[in-house]
Amino acid sequence: GAVVSQHPSRVICKSGTSVKIECRSLDFQATTMFWYRQFPKKSLMLMATSNEGSKATYEQGVEKDKFLINHASLTLSTLTVTSAHPEDSSFYICSARVAGVRSGDTQYFGPGTRLTVL
Amino acid sequence: LAKTTQPISMDSYEGQEVNITCSHNNIATNDYITWYQQFPSQGPRFIIQGYKTKVTNEVASLFIPADRKSSTLSLPRVSLSDTAVYYCLVGSNNAGNMLTFGGGTRLMVKP
Repeated sequence: GAVVSQHPSRVICKSGTSVKIECRSLDFQATTMFWYRQFPKKSLMLMATSNEGSKATYEQGVEKDKFLINHASLTLSTLTVTSAHPEDSSFYICSARVAGVRSGDTQYFGPGTRLTVL
Repeated sequence: LAKTTQPISMDSYEGQEVNITCSHNNIATNDYITWYQQFPSQGPRFIIQGYKTKVTNEVASLFIPADRKSSTLSLPRVSLSDTAVYYCLVGSNNAGNMLTFGGGTRLMVKP
């Protein structure tokens, strides 16, 4: 299947700082990428849909000014958590959509980024 | 978006076949059914996808009845390493369509 990478895999930062997480599709082009957040023992919650060359679409309750998303190329989307606070500590996962010709669209997920805000 | 319902957890033993059923009563005509596996602190991994009847790959089989209101993921001869959370998702081919994750099924394989 298609490969999606994330960087960094783990980050610890001080409260008030900003953290950038990169999501890359390694062997395919992705016009649409998705960002999820997952708390311990909970399911994935969609934060936003990232579209190449246009503004991201945020889910209800997700602050667009706090979680900045940039999808500047067909293989890279970035999520920047601005002015991070301890409650932003979570597991952030991105995915990229691969359009199916004779099948449904499939999302391939990155390995995730563990963010800890002190 | 079609909502999915799965059992919260299941227990099994090594070597057994495990069947996890997911209900999606309001599945739309264009929707496909996709199953993912997730280990702790890792991103979900694609297992299998289907539209109707039966699909089989090297990892699992997916059974979908004619009314498509449910689906069953079948894992043959599970091992301890199959202990994970399994998610059933339903979504269409439409551009920009996102997948909504339900609670998933936590499978525990015992020796």
